[in-house]
Amino acid sequence: GENVEQHPSTLSVQEGDSAVIKCTYSDSASNYFPWYKQELGKGPQLIIDIRSNVGEKKDQRIAVTLNKTAKHFSLHITETQPEDSAVYFCAASDRAGGTSYGKLTFGQGTILTVHP
Amino acid sequence: GAGVSQSPRYKVAKRGQDVALRCDPISGHVSLFWYQQALGQGPEFLTYFQNEAQLDKSGLPSDRFFAERPEGSVSTLKIQRTQQEDSAVYLCASSLVARGSVGSYNEQFFGPGTRLTVL
Repeated sequence: GENVEQHPSTLSVQEGDSAVIKCTYSDSASNYFPWYKQELGKGPQLIIDIRSNVGEKKDQRIAVTLNKTAKHFSLHITETQPEDSAVYFCAASDRAGGTSYGKLTFGQGTILTVHP
Repeated sequence: GAGVSQSPRYKVAKRGQDVALRCDPISGHVSLFWYQQALGQGPEFLTYFQNEAQLDKSGLPSDRFFAERPEGSVSTLKIQRTQQEDSAVYLCASSLVARGSVGSYNEQFFGPGTRLTVL
């Protein structure tokens, strides 16, 4: 089955700095890579995702890059703000289509702290 | 409601008790997933429903875990004879699309979870 490794486990930055979280996956059949933000006491919330036919995607201060050959994908947050502080999870899936139903395999999570 | 809801939000059980956790998915969503999230870890897949059919239960840790979705909407995860290692947050997620929806987008919307503590 799929295995997703995520680093670092904790990340502390100053407000305005950039933050980068990296993940690797093992199953070459995976073709959908979402990133979730989880705040205390809440369920994960999708913040951005990327499909395997795209190398990079950006949404305001958040960007995700994918290297299919190396089976790496990364989350980049620029101009960090204190409200970005949360736990971030990467995930991989062979999303819905054909015989797949899109089960997600998650990384271990990164606790991001943005200091004012 | 606009999102996925789960109840109860918190459950404390004595070892050996049975518990039932409820998930109300977004109306019209075909797919429903259950995940288990241990403290400090990422969610791990438990089981998947497409409408009322349970198509994958490969992640259920033991035969003490049972899930159902009899009418294709609300789902219940039941844990019999709870043990301390069952302590975790149980997350439910729903998705609009189903298996075979070629080219479809499969965003999973998560509920807030039920935190189960087994004493």
